[in-house]
Amino acid sequence: GAVVSQHPSWVICKSGTSVKIECRSLDFQATTMFWYRQFPKQSLMLMATSNEGSKATYEQGVEKDKFLINHASLTLSTLTVTSAHPEDSSFYICSARDPGQGDEKLFFGSGTQLSVL
Amino acid sequence: AQKITQTQPGMFVQEKEAVTLDCTYDTSDPSYGLFWYKQPSSGEMIFLIYQGSYDQQNATEGRYSLNFQKARKSANLVISASQLGDSAMYFCAMRPTHTGGFKTIFGAGTRLFVKA
Repeated sequence: GAVVSQHPSWVICKSGTSVKIECRSLDFQATTMFWYRQFPKQSLMLMATSNEGSKATYEQGVEKDKFLINHASLTLSTLTVTSAHPEDSSFYICSARDPGQGDEKLFFGSGTQLSVL
Repeated sequence: AQKITQTQPGMFVQEKEAVTLDCTYDTSDPSYGLFWYKQPSSGEMIFLIYQGSYDQQNATEGRYSLNFQKARKSANLVISASQLGDSAMYFCAMRPTHTGGFKTIFGAGTRLFVKA
C-alpha cells in the first residue's frame, strides 16, 4: 500500500518557538493532504486540507496564522506551529489519499507528538 | 451536517470470540464512503475496511467485516476470532463523495480490550 512518512515523531520545544512538521508521500503523488489533531483519548479533528500549489483550506476555528501549511510539491506538505504555547501540545497526524487507488481510503503518517514547555 | 457517532467508549471481549463495534452516521450526501481504522498505542492509524454507500454487499477483509445497514445509517465493525493484538482504539470514519472536498471525518472512537 501507499506510504506516508511524517517527521519528526516527537518534538519538545519552548513556548514561543516555531515547530515544523513534514509529511511526505513516498510512493505516490498526493495533490491533497490532510492535517489532523488529536488530544489524548479523543478523536481526530480535521484542521485543514493542504492543496498542492494553492492555499490550504482551514476548518472553522483553526487559526491559519497559527498553523501554517505549505504544500509546495506533490509529495510534501508541511505544518508549522508558530509561536507555540502549551495549549498547542497535542498529537498531530497527516494523511493523504492515493488517487491511484479506487477506494478512497486515507493513508496516515505515524504522527508527531508535540510538547510545548 | 456530517456526523459519525460511536456510542461505546470501551468494549471488552474474550480472546477468540467475536465482537461488534457500533457506528452510526449522518449525511445528506447521497454518495459516501465508510471506513474503519485501528489506532494502537503507538499512534499510527491503520486502515481496516471500506464500504461504499452504493455497494450491494457488506465488505469483508480477513477477520473484519462491516455490517452495513443503509436505511439505519449504521456501519458496525465485526471482528471475528479476537486476538490479543486487536486491543486498540477503533475509529469509524466517513467521507462524503460530493460535498466536503474529500474530507474524512471521524467518530469518537471505541477502545477495545481483548482478554486472555
